[in-house]
Amino acid sequence: KNQVEQSPQSLIILEGKNCTLQCNYTVSPFSNLRWYKQDTGRGPVSLTIMTFSENTKSNGRYTATLDADTKQSSLHITASQLSDSASYICVVSATNDYKLSFGAGTTVTVRA
Amino acid sequence: SAVISQKPSRDICQRGTSLTIQCQVDSQVTMMFWYRQQPGQSLTLIATANQGSEATYESGFVIDKFPISRPNLTFSTLTVSNMSPEDSSIYLCSVRGQERSSTQYFGPGTRLLVL
Repeated sequence: KNQVEQSPQSLIILEGKNCTLQCNYTVSPFSNLRWYKQDTGRGPVSLTIMTFSENTKSNGRYTATLDADTKQSSLHITASQLSDSASYICVVSATNDYKLSFGAGTTVTVRA
Repeated sequence: SAVISQKPSRDICQRGTSLTIQCQVDSQVTMMFWYRQQPGQSLTLIATANQGSEATYESGFVIDKFPISRPNLTFSTLTVSNMSPEDSSIYLCSVRGQERSSTQYFGPGTRLLVL
């Protein structure tokens, strides 16, 4: 069964600090991995999407990495802002299935 | 990109009633998905709705409980029938392009509370 596991489940950081979220997956055969940001009461919004051949992708202060050999990805948030408070969801798709596999998300709280 | 709107944004309903959620996309899309997100949980796919064909339901979801319409390439509805408190959740409409690497876009969600 295709699975996506994220850690930590939640974290609290001070404004201006950096943090890194982790995603491990067992989805196979791998097609791509996406990170989404979901603000409270809103739908998820895409941050990055990476295919097998890509090992890093940035979107502003968000940088995602991918190690397809170890089936791990990380999302690094640099110089966090209060608006970064949200749930971050790792989503993986397989080449033989149009459906997506969702992680449970990491809830990030940025405090002033 | 695709901009998706959903109606209603939230509702409080009585047990045993039904609610129809509307999803409107600003462009024509082939694949449209309905998800449920229960409190503190990630997204669970309810069904895939492609225009011109019957919706395909995931394990644990049935048409009698969640009938779906897809009359054209920009619109879909999901009905939550004979509701119970266990149906309290956020329901999200989502669309994706034809390519597997296409970004999948999500609507703002409909927050449903069943009393």
